[in-house]
Amino acid sequence: QVQLVQSGAEVKKPGASVKVSCKSSGYTFANYHIHWLRQAPGQGLEWMGMINPSGGATADAQNFQGRLTMTRDTSTSTVYMELSSLKSEDTAVYYCARGFYSGSSTPFDYWGQGTLVTVSS
Amino acid sequence: EIVLTQSPATLSLSPGERATLSCRASQSVSAYLAWYQHRPGQAPRLLIYDASNRATGIPGRFSGSGSGTDFTLTISSLEPEDFAVYYCQQRSNWPPTFGQGTRLEIK
Repeated sequence: QVQLVQSGAEVKKPGASVKVSCKSSGYTFANYHIHWLRQAPGQGLEWMGMINPSGGATADAQNFQGRLTMTRDTSTSTVYMELSSLKSEDTAVYYCARGFYSGSSTPFDYWGQGTLVTVSS
Repeated sequence: EIVLTQSPATLSLSPGERATLSCRASQSVSAYLAWYQHRPGQAPRLLIYDASNRATGIPGRFSGSGSGTDFTLTISSLEPEDFAVYYCQQRSNWPPTFGQGTRLEIK
């Protein structure tokens, strides 16, 4: 069965970086884009960006101003999301999710379990 | 970006009752709307895509309707496991956006 398994919770100080992993199984890794979304406390879901595991091309929402980096390791079917220059407002649960369709115009049919990132001094 | 407004914010019903959840878009999204169920501590689950198509494994009591700016998720007869938060999401315009959610609670 399709599974996306994320790395564990992180606590970071303002200005630091965090790197979250998302390991895929149960399907052909190269065939589906992986998206990153987040949900801050008491807020709705926010789409952050996506990576095409076949080739590594990425696209992200413009409001991260170069702080977001997404990479993949095809040998382990794992994608990574790194967010730098962390602020308290980045405190959120971060999700990876598989795109049902190719590209950014898609619903998300399988999700990781979420990774809580807490930014606090 | 397109703003999705969900109503009501909270819906209190009993098992066996019918639930009707609404999602309104700030501009037309055609039929490019999805619905998700989110239980505490679990990953969101895709229920409906492209307004009215049930995702794989989703029970027939869940149905979606609408087009343009007004959409509805209907749960025909609530089961205990259906009490959760429900989100709508549009894919018509970049970036994809979500509504703020409707909390379905046990009355």
